[in-house]
Amino acid sequence: AQSVSQHNHHVILSEAASLELGCNYSYGGTVNLFWYVQYPGQHLQLLLKYFSGDPLVKGIKGFEAEFIKSKFSFNLRKPSVQWSDTAEYFCAVSPSGGYNKLIFGAGTRLAVHP
Amino acid sequence: GAVVSQHPSRVICKSGTSVKIECRSLDFQATTMFWYRQFPKQSLMLMATSNEGSKATYEQGVEKDKFLINHASLTLSTLTVTSAHPEDSSFYICSARDVGAGGVTGELFFGEGSRLTVL
Repeated sequence: AQSVSQHNHHVILSEAASLELGCNYSYGGTVNLFWYVQYPGQHLQLLLKYFSGDPLVKGIKGFEAEFIKSKFSFNLRKPSVQWSDTAEYFCAVSPSGGYNKLIFGAGTRLAVHP
Repeated sequence: GAVVSQHPSRVICKSGTSVKIECRSLDFQATTMFWYRQFPKQSLMLMATSNEGSKATYEQGVEKDKFLINHASLTLSTLTVTSAHPEDSSFYICSARDVGAGGVTGELFFGEGSRLTVL
């Protein structure tokens, strides 16, 4: 069965530190990949997505992610985090195209200290 | 972005009763909505795909008689947890796809979730 693995459940950083959140998926076919963010008390919001083309994807709020097909990975990065980035981050995969039937990772809770 | 609203945001009920959760797309039409369940510290698990005007498609292991889904209009899907038990306590999240935004590539928008507690 398809699955998504996020390596870190909790990450604590100071402001201005660099961030990298790991995401690996298990599916041999073509996939679409997503990162969603959930700020405290709010609903899930799309950060960025990869459907095809350039494997380095830029999203909102300075986030980017790189799709490495050989490693089945889609890690999320931000060079300098801010306190406002405190949130939970979910990696998701759609093995059936587009936004259909997303399979989510367990999430990574990020806390950024001033 | 588009808004998806869930109601109620929190509900507490007694064991054996049924609870209905609504998911509405407020400013767009959604032929397809998805219902997820999230356990504490775990990922969102897809329960079913709700299609307007037709029966929902349930994921393996999800009891369709337990979790009744009705997608009666392009802006409303409901999830009814029938004869709820404490093990049904969970966070239920819906998402809706904007029908005007390109089929399956149309972005999904998520509701804020509904926390069900069954006593």
